[in-house]
Amino acid sequence: EAQVTQNPRYLITVTGKKLTVTCSQNMNHEYMSWYRQDPGLGLRQIYYSMNVEVTDKGDVPEGYKVSRKEKRNFPLILESPSPNQTSLYFCASSPGTSGITDTQYFGPGTRLTVL
Amino acid sequence: AQSVTQPDIHITVSEGASLELRCNYSYGATPYLFWYVQSPGQGLQLLLKYFSGDTLVQGIKGFEAEFKRSQSSFNLRKPSVHWSDAAEYFCAVGLLMEYGNKLVFGAGTILRVKS
Repeated sequence: EAQVTQNPRYLITVTGKKLTVTCSQNMNHEYMSWYRQDPGLGLRQIYYSMNVEVTDKGDVPEGYKVSRKEKRNFPLILESPSPNQTSLYFCASSPGTSGITDTQYFGPGTRLTVL
Repeated sequence: AQSVTQPDIHITVSEGASLELRCNYSYGATPYLFWYVQSPGQGLQLLLKYFSGDTLVQGIKGFEAEFKRSQSSFNLRKPSVHWSDAAEYFCAVGLLMEYGNKLVFGAGTILRVKS
């Protein structure tokens, strides 16, 4: 089944403890992206990757890192999580490198709580 | 600054009634326009998109949207709502940038369906 998977789906952690949220897609998509969703704010882009060679910041990149060592995976890394990073996170992918001229396919989300 | 406005945070309609969800954007050129739906506990699913051409766009699940350039609007409609349509709906605008395209989401509208 074609899909975007994220792990873990739920995570409760403490301030300062490094964590990684994995994202993997099995559709051979070029473009991948991370969003966070907060009530009243919709989804905001954290980082995106047009292909394995190009990764760049979105609107809210502070406190996050990503890597794109292979096409299928795009992990989100929080080196020192803080409570203001408590949110619902979504990974998405799309076939081309544009990110907007193709449909973006979203993962099921990861609910992160930082105490 | 570019923005996407969904004026209604919550909307309640009776099953079988018609529905219109509003979306306005602020952007100089005609952007790429999208409507996504998020069912409880799920990721986002694309309902429809507009890039160019006919300003009335048909989507999945019986939804349609109309692009009105003069009003900078892209409102979502459905003639007869079903209880399964209860979800959160996001309007999004795709912006072509010199460096990295951007997908900007509205804050969302929560649809409740009463029987």
